[in-house]
Amino acid sequence: DAGVIQSPRHEVTEMGQEVTLRCKPISGHNSLFWYRQTMMRGLELLIYFNNNVPIDDSGMPEDRFSAKMPNASFSTLKIQPSEPRDSAVYFCASSPSGTGSYGYTFGSGTRLTVV
Amino acid sequence: KQEVTQIPAALSVPEGENLVLNCSFTDSAIYNLQWFRQDPGKGLTSLLLIQSSQREQTSGRLNASLDKSSGRSTLYIAASQPGDSATYLCAVRVGGSQGNLIFGKGTKLSVKP
Repeated sequence: DAGVIQSPRHEVTEMGQEVTLRCKPISGHNSLFWYRQTMMRGLELLIYFNNNVPIDDSGMPEDRFSAKMPNASFSTLKIQPSEPRDSAVYFCASSPSGTGSYGYTFGSGTRLTVV
Repeated sequence: KQEVTQIPAALSVPEGENLVLNCSFTDSAIYNLQWFRQDPGKGLTSLLLIQSSQREQTSGRLNASLDKSSGRSTLYIAASQPGDSATYLCAVRVGGSQGNLIFGKGTKLSVKP
């Protein structure tokens, strides 16, 4: 398996533009998580899905952020309009649910810079 | 609200030393605990996962212990090498088998040759 695949790896955009980050989870994993990492706040959970259904989006900072999971193999995180304070590394992770020794697998992240 | 703390925030040791990284969490109701490694500019690599019913897990030179009742975990690295230099993150899974991970801010380890 190729692991969790995120695109793009780097994104530089101007303030006010729409940004879409993409994630392909590991096949068979039915939980998907979006995290944001900054120096000040570390890794913060934004939203997670189980079986394509959003379970907890309390970490989404404001209405400018939205996430979708239209099917088991694809998710997007959209920021519209983007602001400089959104600059961070955004990670997607997936996990199989259920009992057992299951952990998370993270993607390589998308480094977003809003200028 | 679950909070995860890692001490120290940074650690520098000479090559060959054995070392311990500490992680504490405020709520003992966790599903499992996972240690990750993050290299600069990279994603997270899972090192060890300990289920809430387990006391420790070992992988090569790494050993992680869990004392759920006291809200503590340690990651022991034996015979450290320069290649071990990275940030080590501890995370607890809450909300059961379908729950999410809550992370500490990490310990940045530097192993000097």
